Amino acid sequence: AIQMTQSPSSLSASIGDRVTITCRASQYIRNDLAWYQHKPGKAPELLIYAASTLQSGVPSRFSGSGSGTDFTLTISSLQSEDIATYYCLHDYSYPRTFGQGTKVEI
Amino acid sequence: ELQLVESGGGLVQPGGSLRLSCEASGFTFSNYWMTWVRQAPGKGLEWVANIKQDASEKYYVDSVKGRFTISRDSAKSSLYLQMNSLRAEDTAIYYCARDSSPHLGGSWFDAFDIWGQGTRVTVSS
Repeated sequence: AIQMTQSPSSLSASIGDRVTITCRASQYIRNDLAWYQHKPGKAPELLIYAASTLQSGVPSRFSGSGSGTDFTLTISSLQSEDIATYYCLHDYSYPRTFGQGTKVEI
Repeated sequence: ELQLVESGGGLVQPGGSLRLSCEASGFTFSNYWMTWVRQAPGKGLEWVANIKQDASEKYYVDSVKGRFTISRDSAKSSLYLQMNSLRAEDTAIYYCARDSSPHLGGSWFDAFDIWGQGTRVTVSS
């Protein structure tokens, strides 16, 4: 199975900061990657698919980039409602695998 | 309103069985791939299984192969996960999700755009 490694595992930032989360695949996955936001007690939410396509309704401060093995999720200006854990998920082959998550705190 | 509602979770002894259900509303269920994702206590998300629109294709994570079976009933707009030979490590919140399967640049992608609220499964004696 393809392993997805996120970094950092957690980060602390201030409101308005630019935040960058990286996800590295153990092998080539083209651009078959999505990003999800997960808040405690709630269902995960789709942010980005196909590495860089913003899901409808998601604020434009979220963006994704990358292809091959290295990917990035960027929050251009961190807001209080962005406090959550973020996960990458590849869909290049089966089984799909998530990264271990990045917890974003203020 | 687009909605997925899971049910069927609970406490079960190791080696036991449980059947999770996920009822869809507000969209044409038969048009979509569907997925199960779980989160064990204190752990991250784990993709468990998915199923094609006509149930002709099903895929599983290795740790549940031979024990879990994903299925669907379009007449009832429902997705199921039959879980047998349950282990302590299957303890988790189980979410169902709709895959909108966007088509971009000649390729299909996964995009889990609608999720249920989750149902808790506890495997313990």
